[in-house]
Amino acid sequence: DVKVTQSSRYLVKRTGEKVFLECVQDMDHENMFWYRQDPGLGLRLIYFSYDVKMKEKGDIPEGYSVSREKKERFSLILESASTNQTSMYLCASRTYNEQFFGPGTRLTVL
Amino acid sequence: AQSVTQPDIHITVSEGASLELRCNYSYGATPYLFWYVQSPGQGLQLLLKYFSGDTLVQGIKGFEAEFKRSQSSFNLRKPSVHWSDAAEYFCAVGPPSGGNKLTFGTGTQLKVEL
Repeated sequence: DVKVTQSSRYLVKRTGEKVFLECVQDMDHENMFWYRQDPGLGLRLIYFSYDVKMKEKGDIPEGYSVSREKKERFSLILESASTNQTSMYLCASRTYNEQFFGPGTRLTVL
Repeated sequence: AQSVTQPDIHITVSEGASLELRCNYSYGATPYLFWYVQSPGQGLQLLLKYFSGDTLVQGIKGFEAEFKRSQSSFNLRKPSVHWSDAAEYFCAVGPPSGGNKLTFGTGTQLKVEL
């Protein structure tokens, strides 16, 4: 079974802090994704990566950056967290035509 | 630009009743179509997908969906709902080339009354 894990289920940070969300997949997938999920808005793509050190902006990249130094790991970085980044963050990795999701990190920025 | 509409934000059904969740999409060509389910506090799990061929696709947990090109719809159905089906359901579309970008609907929250 494909396994996508996220470093934290719940995270509370203060405004202005630098925040790292980590995602690891165990299936050697080349493609990995970060989504943000908000009530009434569904899932919105923040960034994705199609190979090590390769990344592409999604629909809402502002305020976020990403890092992919190893194939299995994809990190989402909030350089200076703001209250409007309080949300559920979902990581996914992709085989040919299916995305597999991690359990999510619920981030609260105070 | 592609879009997905799930017109029902909340649906309540009685256990044992049938279920249909609606999904309409806007896309330049026939896209890849997906239904995902998210149980409380969990990530998304794929229920089923359509790429081509038979327009009625079977998925896990007794779900099925029918692709109707003329209506740009991909509705999810289940003949008899179980209390454990209470969850949020997301329809998604992806490019027919199998590319990376999925577009998700806003979700339908299903409540099951015992």
